[in-house]
Amino acid sequence: DADVTQTPRNRITKTGKRIMLECSQTKGHDRMYWYRQDPGLGLQLIYYSFDVKDINKGEISDGYSVSRQAQAKFSLSLESAIPNQTALYFCATSDPRTSGGTQYFGPGTRLLVL
Amino acid sequence: GEDVEQSLFLSVREGDSSVINCTYTDSSSTYLYWYKQEPGAGLQLLTYIFSNMDMKQDQRLTVLLNKKDKHLSLRIADTQTGDSAIYFCAHGAGNNRKLIWGLGTSLAVNP
Repeated sequence: DADVTQTPRNRITKTGKRIMLECSQTKGHDRMYWYRQDPGLGLQLIYYSFDVKDINKGEISDGYSVSRQAQAKFSLSLESAIPNQTALYFCATSDPRTSGGTQYFGPGTRLLVL
Repeated sequence: GEDVEQSLFLSVREGDSSVINCTYTDSSSTYLYWYKQEPGAGLQLLTYIFSNMDMKQDQRLTVLLNKKDKHLSLRIADTQTGDSAIYFCAHGAGNNRKLIWGLGTSLAVNP
């Protein structure tokens, strides 16, 4: 969905490096989410934010941190990347008042940690 | 429990109907969703259904919900090669609408 953008789209980094993945949205949604996707494991929720001042841990938040800089921006950081954080990362947004709370996804960031 | 279960693979012939099934355990679910993920792409919403509905139809897609059995299905009529993708079932409940996801069903359409 072009209304939700993620940068970078692909990233290779080394163990121990700090990296940031960024997400921007033009949908005007208050709620934003970060997921990771691993083959055979489906989607796992890392962090979610219901508004700029509300940030919550998801199922697998260890090793990650987030920042909600504005309604439209939600970034995910890996403070010290490790190889098992190699995955596909998705950002999503939603508005519980519309479309049944449907989540709209960005195109994903493919991360490889060497 | 909040589990959502789907079979991992489905293979059909082009032109046939595909039926992808999903079961869930949370009886308080109010919204149920089907998403499609094409290779190398993000997840795209296909359709969603409210828990007080039994069926929803949208062109080639038919969603059936059996709330008593906590069973959701997605039927794709006249399946095309472009329908080859992974299909995810998800449900949400309550005001926080945090979605619970299945592992996805990989649909292969053979010519």
